[in-house]
Amino acid sequence: DGGITQSPKYLFRKEGQNVTLSCEQNLNHDAMYWYRQDPGQGLRLIYYSQIVNDFQKGDIAEGYSVSREKKESFPLTVTSAQKNPTAFYLCASSKSDREETQYFGPGTRLLVL
Amino acid sequence: QKEVEQDPGPLSVPEGAIVSLNCTYSNSAFQYFMWYRQYSRKGPELLMYTYSSGNKEDGRFTAQVDKSSKYISLFIRDSQPSDSATYLCAMSGNRGSTLGRLYFGRGTQLTVWP
Repeated sequence: DGGITQSPKYLFRKEGQNVTLSCEQNLNHDAMYWYRQDPGQGLRLIYYSQIVNDFQKGDIAEGYSVSREKKESFPLTVTSAQKNPTAFYLCASSKSDREETQYFGPGTRLLVL
Repeated sequence: QKEVEQDPGPLSVPEGAIVSLNCTYSNSAFQYFMWYRQYSRKGPELLMYTYSSGNKEDGRFTAQVDKSSKYISLFIRDSQPSDSATYLCAMSGNRGSTLGRLYFGRGTQLTVWP
């Protein structure tokens, strides 16, 4: 059963702590993306990766970091430099960066304690 | 000015009504247009995909693109309570900054009451 999985579903972060959100896909897609969604807002692009071992900053990359060591996995770290991390984080993938349609995971809700 | 504008609503209609959702955009490089449906606390799911101008129909859903006006629409016929969700428009292009990424509207929250 192909798809995108994200874990955990809910994540709590203490002040000054780094946390990592997991994203895994078994669709054999080359491109993967991280978005942030705030209430009443559209999706804002954090980082994206077109191929393994390569990634680019999106519109709101400050305070976040990513890695792409495997095709199936694209973890996102929310660092302590991100001062307002409370949001719904969505991971997506597409066959390639030339493929217009993206498929989304179920999301991770990050809350600050 | 944002690349993609979408009225966030909320929009509330009775069951059976025809719903019209709209987005406008400013970048003429956009060629590919999508509508996503997002239920509360879930990830968006692709609903409709259209290339360039024209109409596309899928069951109760019709997507329209008017590139001359930079305006796209999604129509839902015979709306059902199960259609209650947030609808996001998204678009991309084939050159420059529009290549390889999607630009999203803010989403319109729709409630269909029985």
